[in-house]
Amino acid sequence: DVKVTQSSRYLVKRTGEKVFLECVQDMDHENMFWYRQDPGLGLRLIYFSYDVKMKEKGDIPEGYSVSREKKERFSLILESASTNQTSMYLCASSFDGASLDEQFFGPGTRLTVL
Amino acid sequence: GNSVTQMEGPVTLSEEAFLTINCTYTATGYPSLFWYVQYPGEGLQLLLKATKADDKGSNKGFEATYRKETTSFHLEKGSVQVSDSAVYFCALANTGFQKLVFGTGTRLLVSP
Repeated sequence: DVKVTQSSRYLVKRTGEKVFLECVQDMDHENMFWYRQDPGLGLRLIYFSYDVKMKEKGDIPEGYSVSREKKERFSLILESASTNQTSMYLCASSFDGASLDEQFFGPGTRLTVL
Repeated sequence: GNSVTQMEGPVTLSEEAFLTINCTYTATGYPSLFWYVQYPGEGLQLLLKATKADDKGSNKGFEATYRKETTSFHLEKGSVQVSDSAVYFCALANTGFQKLVFGTGTRLLVSP
């Protein structure tokens, strides 16, 4: 089974802190994604990556950055956390950028910024 | 641009009732359409998909038909179970891209 794991299920940080959310997939997938999930807004794409060291902005990249140094790991970075970044963060991966393969999701990290 | 509109929830049903969750979309080109399900405390998982007009996706008793003429992809199940209680997301992706556009999600609550 494909497994996508996220480093924390729950995280509490203070305004201004630098926050790292880690995601690891074990199926050698090329594509990885970071979404945030908010009530009434569904899932919104923050950043995605088609390959190691490649990244592209999604729909709401402001206030976030990403890093993909290894194929299996995709990190989301909040350079200076703010209260409006309190949300559920979901990581996903998929096999091939040329076809519309299923995305596999991790369990999510619920981040609270105080 | 691309967008997905879902009916607002929660949808509350008794066990064995018929389920419909409406989904309509706006897209350029010929998108593929998906239903994802999120059970409590878990990430999303693919429920079913359809890649071209008139295709029917089906899984675990759920079905949805890709209707280009009405730009719809409504989710149906003939007899729901308590274990179907979850949040259901409709999504689309345009050909050649991996980016999914999600609807806002519809929570389904099934009581015994």
